[in-house]
Amino acid sequence: GQQLNQSPQSMFIQEGEDVSMNCTSSSIFNTWLWYKQDPGEGPVLLIALYKAGELTSNGRLTAQFGITRKDSFLNISASIPSDVGIYFCAGQLDGGSQGNLIFGKGTKLSVKP
Amino acid sequence: DGGITQSPKYLFRKEGQNVTLSCEQNLNHDAMYWYRQDPGQGLRLIYYSQIVNDFQKGDIAEGYSVSREKKESFPLTVTSAQKNPTAFYLCASNRGAGEKLFFGSGTQLSVL
Repeated sequence: GQQLNQSPQSMFIQEGEDVSMNCTSSSIFNTWLWYKQDPGEGPVLLIALYKAGELTSNGRLTAQFGITRKDSFLNISASIPSDVGIYFCAGQLDGGSQGNLIFGKGTKLSVKP
Repeated sequence: DGGITQSPKYLFRKEGQNVTLSCEQNLNHDAMYWYRQDPGQGLRLIYYSQIVNDFQKGDIAEGYSVSREKKESFPLTVTSAQKNPTAFYLCASNRGAGEKLFFGSGTQLSVL
């Protein structure tokens, strides 16, 4: 099946540091979504991207839809302890069926106060 | 408040037993989805439904069944044919293809 490569797998950072994670694929996507999941809870949508090159911010979070449409990144600035969790990217394949939203395996973020 | 409600939060299944996970949404979304999440893995699609009385298999449908008799409800049955059912199950919904996907808070299923 189609694959999304999300990296890094995990990150241990100091409070106040900036964070960057990304997702790449060999396939072309027409939508990128970024989610955060707390333990034992469902993922919460952070940012949605719909156009190549699009750069969107949500508070301290910034995400971009890659120009090639095969990648996306998420940046978190000035991290705080409540940023801890697992971050997932998800992409809708260009020409894919409605159910064909593909998820990365997640980036686990740990923040040291 | 509008949202997606999954119940129960925790569920235990005995060998050979079928169990049903509930998912209800009041967002007026046409499409609903069931995903399975295993530790350290991404979400895998079990079934999805674009409209009432219609549903399609996802990537890992074997051992599961669904129904969509009402727009608001999309229950998932984990049958005895599913030999490794222990996982975190997530229900989601959206307005349609390419639209933002919203998730419930999940059900943790374990085998006794």
